[in-house]
Amino acid sequence: SQQGEEDPQALSIQEGENATMNCSYKTSINNLQWYRQNSGRGLVHLILIRSNEREKHSGRLRVTLDTSKKSSSLLITASRAADTASYFCATDAGGGYQKVTFGTGTKLQVIP
Amino acid sequence: DAGVTQSPTHLIKTRGQQVTLRCSPKSGHDTVSWYQQALGQGPQFIFQYYEEEERQRGNFPDRFSGHQFPNYSSELNVNALLLGDSALYLCASSLGLLPGTLFFGSGTQLSVL
Repeated sequence: SQQGEEDPQALSIQEGENATMNCSYKTSINNLQWYRQNSGRGLVHLILIRSNEREKHSGRLRVTLDTSKKSSSLLITASRAADTASYFCATDAGGGYQKVTFGTGTKLQVIP
Repeated sequence: DAGVTQSPTHLIKTRGQQVTLRCSPKSGHDTVSWYQQALGQGPQFIFQYYEEEERQRGNFPDRFSGHQFPNYSSELNVNALLLGDSALYLCASSLGLLPGTLFFGSGTQLSVL
């Protein structure tokens, strides 16, 4: 079963615009991560935010976490055509034994 | 520094057959997790291996089994294949049991006819 659910399922924007994706999850977490997947191949880690953090930045990426609402958002600023991919949030409940559970994903298309 | 490697890249099997998928973790990693990703869906956790033992298991039947070798590489075996087993199978490696970043291979695309 999926722990997280991304919203929207699909997003199409023009190059240069910002893209925002949201993730909601069901149970308490230890960490939340975002991954990118190009063309149905391997996933690439983007950023990890811990449950005691509220915001984190990495280059053009900004992630927020609201544990009271069990939700997170990923903002990609000044998008590029190369950002076209599927984006997944992933959570773990901690306590050792790393079981990372992925959401349903947002498919982002950046139009040149 | 070699990343996570998976073999084969593509595989076609028929219903009822058995399949073995292989994974070599990133250099220095000792934990391997396997995921199944159906078309248009997120990856679903199958199981995780650490120190040659299965440590965690997702909601998959016993037809799915695995193994980890002393060099940390891993195999995923699926018996009595069903049409619904058609998916991309992803291997992810990490260091130790504490939750953190997963490094993924490019996956094995399994088609069951």
